[in-house]
Amino acid sequence: ETGVTQTPRHLVMGMTNKKSLKCEQHLGHNAMYWYKQSAKKPLELMFVYNFKEQTENNSVPSRFSPECPNSSHLFLHLHTLQPEDSALYLCASSQGGLATYEQYFGPGTRLTVT
Amino acid sequence: EDKVVQSPLSLVVHEGDTVTLNCSYEVTNFRSLLWYKQEKKAPTFLFMLTSSGIEKKSGRLSSILDKKELSSILNITATQTGDSAIYLCAVEARMNTGFQKLVFGTGTRLLVSP
Repeated sequence: ETGVTQTPRHLVMGMTNKKSLKCEQHLGHNAMYWYKQSAKKPLELMFVYNFKEQTENNSVPSRFSPECPNSSHLFLHLHTLQPEDSALYLCASSQGGLATYEQYFGPGTRLTVT
Repeated sequence: EDKVVQSPLSLVVHEGDTVTLNCSYEVTNFRSLLWYKQEKKAPTFLFMLTSSGIEKKSGRLSSILDKKELSSILNITATQTGDSAIYLCAVEARMNTGFQKLVFGTGTRLLVSP
């Protein structure tokens, strides 16, 4: 257990569905991240939040919409996804701010878009 | 563009062997290099190497950062089947905002056979 939890662990959705992924960290961190991991590709950073403020949107399509209501929770809202969006979505957290800290990852949500 | 390259992509060894995994990077505003182990889902943190700590060791695992060559190696001695995993190298860069982001390589898939 890394102190970062994600739900659901598996999700199958059609292209017209709307769903949300949830991430919660119990580490007292101030930064949270969404990554996408596709087969044979590096982890791709999607969004970064520091102290609840979005500080990075890595050219992610608008069908992915993040929400960070507080420093412990992070959501990724999904709508009208494409089959190529099928991947493992990982959430991570770190101390945040301007110093150097390692990131801790959750177990991920395996998403399949049909 | 920031880039991290790992080699080999995959590796099969016998229990008891020693392995060396490689990571090279091209990143602006380098701050640190991190190694993670990913077995099933969540990458778990192994080491962080910075200018002030270019060599780390934990049990059978050790890592060295060569800032001149922009590279790092991860050594595993006396390998065990439990070492089978994907090993991810990530480099910390700084966004224009000053906040942290990690740039990942594709990973090295290690299989240790009994």
